Amino acid sequence: EVQMVESGGGLVQPGGSLRLSCAASGFTFRRRWMSWIRQAPGRGLEWVANINQDGNEKYYVDSVEGRFTISRDNAKSSLYLQMSSLRVDDTAVYYCGRADRVGSADPWGQGTLVIVSS
Amino acid sequence: DVVLTQSPLSLPVTFGQPASISCRSNESLVKADGNTYLNWFQQRPGQSPRRLIYEVSDRDSGVPDRFGGSGAGTDFTLRISRVEADDVGIYYCMQGTHWPWTFGQGTRVEIK
Repeated sequence: EVQMVESGGGLVQPGGSLRLSCAASGFTFRRRWMSWIRQAPGRGLEWVANINQDGNEKYYVDSVEGRFTISRDNAKSSLYLQMSSLRVDDTAVYYCGRADRVGSADPWGQGTLVIVSS
Repeated sequence: DVVLTQSPLSLPVTFGQPASISCRSNESLVKADGNTYLNWFQQRPGQSPRRLIYEVSDRDSGVPDRFGGSGAGTDFTLRISRVEADDVGIYYCMQGTHWPWTFGQGTRVEIK
């Protein structure tokens, strides 16, 4: 069974940093693009970042460019999101997703909640 | 960024009746490779989103055939032929043609 389990969320002050992790299983991780997607409380969805199979091609939404870094460790079947200079509007549930086909990702994990507040 | 506009935003439905959600893009979703990367996701209460439809009309494995997608270019539709209790939730269209990939605002399907 394909599964992604996110961790690392929590409460952080504005301007702080946090590192999210996503442990993947049930598929050949090194062969897949991977994604981070977020959902602010009571709001819609925003695609945050994509990374290719060997980690040398990355794409970010403008709102996180220069503050967030997506990375991966294929030996550990793990995806990461290093978040810095966090802002209140970064508060959201963060999901990782397997890019199983062009222009999409499925399934997603259960998400990890990041709260940015003083 | 590509803007996807869904309508309606709230859809009260009766069990067994059909339902339809529209998704309109402010630019064509046909990619240079000739494919159209328009997806539909379902988010049940308390759950992560789950994809139902990819590339406009292809159903994901395990998705009931009462769900169907159609459209082309900038206009797309998700149809549910007969609404069941399990279908309650929020439905999002999402485009993976232009970066950044973007979602519609979501349509809340609820039972009358």
